[in-house]
Amino acid sequence: GAVVSQHPSWVICKSGTSVKIECRSLDFQATTMFWYRQFPKQSLMLMATSNEGSKATYEQGVEKDKFLINHASLTLSTLTVTSAHPEDSSFYICSAERTGTRRRHTQYFGPGTRLTVL
Amino acid sequence: GDSVTQMEGPVTLSEEAFLTINCTYTATGYPSLFWYVQYPGEGLQLLLKATKADDKGSNKGFEATYRKETTSFHLEKGSVQVSDSAVYFCAPPNRDDKIIFGKGTRLHILP
Repeated sequence: GAVVSQHPSWVICKSGTSVKIECRSLDFQATTMFWYRQFPKQSLMLMATSNEGSKATYEQGVEKDKFLINHASLTLSTLTVTSAHPEDSSFYICSAERTGTRRRHTQYFGPGTRLTVL
Repeated sequence: GDSVTQMEGPVTLSEEAFLTINCTYTATGYPSLFWYVQYPGEGLQLLLKATKADDKGSNKGFEATYRKETTSFHLEKGSVQVSDSAVYFCAPPNRDDKIIFGKGTRLHILP
């Protein structure tokens, strides 16, 4: 159990277009999901915390208007990269915290989405 | 601020060799400490954890001891296998209970 999927697994888009990435918890409910960004040979950087039914909480330095997060149900969060540019090319990873767990370390990670902006 | 320093890779070992991946951290208080693993093509998984000083976390033959005096949480395994090839992340949570990831250490095990 505790499987998290992401779709798509990779995407290539033109500069200026928007890309939506989905994160789904397949066999559990997740009130809270997290979005991370990973650059080559670097660590995962937390971008935002996505809360079901409310606005996401963004980390310092992350543009809210550029990285739109929607968490409309207990099993789905979406990240939309608006007006993507080559510098947005990265590996985006989501994680989901099982509803009812008290500790944040109980996160289950998706396989990631590789975004390439031409 | 809270941070974690992890041994840089890649690390290449022969099967059955002894493994150590170093991790040191700076944090306020004494947080729980975690190691995550990312196998090729898969998402991150929690490998092991330790919740207080001197605790030893263990799983799949891996061990890590929470050393408060040296603020370290080194990952060890006595005899690695090819299937252990993956990227390993040291990850303490910060004061806001958000996970801070190290840069990751890529491990290659040769048959």
